Amino acid sequence: LAKTTQPISMDSYEGQEVNITCSHNNIATNDYITWYQQFPSQGPRFIIQGYKTKVTNEVASLFIPADRKSSTLSLPRVSLSDTAVYYCLVGENTDKLIFGTGTRLQVFP
Amino acid sequence: SQTIHQWPATLVQPVGSPLSLECTVEGTSNPNLYWYRQAAGRGLQLLFYSVGIGQISSEVPQNLSASRPQDRQFILSSKKLLLSDSGFYLCAWSGDRQGPGELFFGEGSRLTVL
Repeated sequence: LAKTTQPISMDSYEGQEVNITCSHNNIATNDYITWYQQFPSQGPRFIIQGYKTKVTNEVASLFIPADRKSSTLSLPRVSLSDTAVYYCLVGENTDKLIFGTGTRLQVFP
Repeated sequence: SQTIHQWPATLVQPVGSPLSLECTVEGTSNPNLYWYRQAAGRGLQLLFYSVGIGQISSEVPQNLSASRPQDRQFILSSKKLLLSDSGFYLCAWSGDRQGPGELFFGEGSRLTVL
């Protein structure tokens, strides 16, 4: 299973764009990259998923370079409610998905 | 639409007492079901997952067990709790119609063992 590495924490201010990068040097050919968001005392919530290039939805964008050894979650114009822990996961399916400690994003007014 | 419920939401148990956490999924059939545990300030640890009734895979050896008596019911149990069993327990499901990495989590059960 591919291991992921992401920053422990990040700070931002309301209205700014936040980019969280995750490295996964050992990603396998069939692996997808998935990002989750978790608020305190709640279960993680799926944000976005991709295999290569760029994926965008109403919440975020996911940028994946050609070698797929890293990925960047981009949150446009963050608000205070985006303060949460963000997890990057890599895997072929939902079996045995490994959640690391994630990136704790703090948004300030 | 699909929903997932788990209970109880919080519980405080003495060391050595039994445990039973329940999770049910509605609105889908034959889901894959998971139990995760999150210790304070830590990431999620996969404990068990099930691809069907009576089919349980254990990821971490411990004094916990899981059962799936019905298609959409997943139960986490222990005969004798340890202090180290304290944590936030999360049930999750996934299905064939969702993406390969898409899990849906319940509200969580916070267990404190004293």
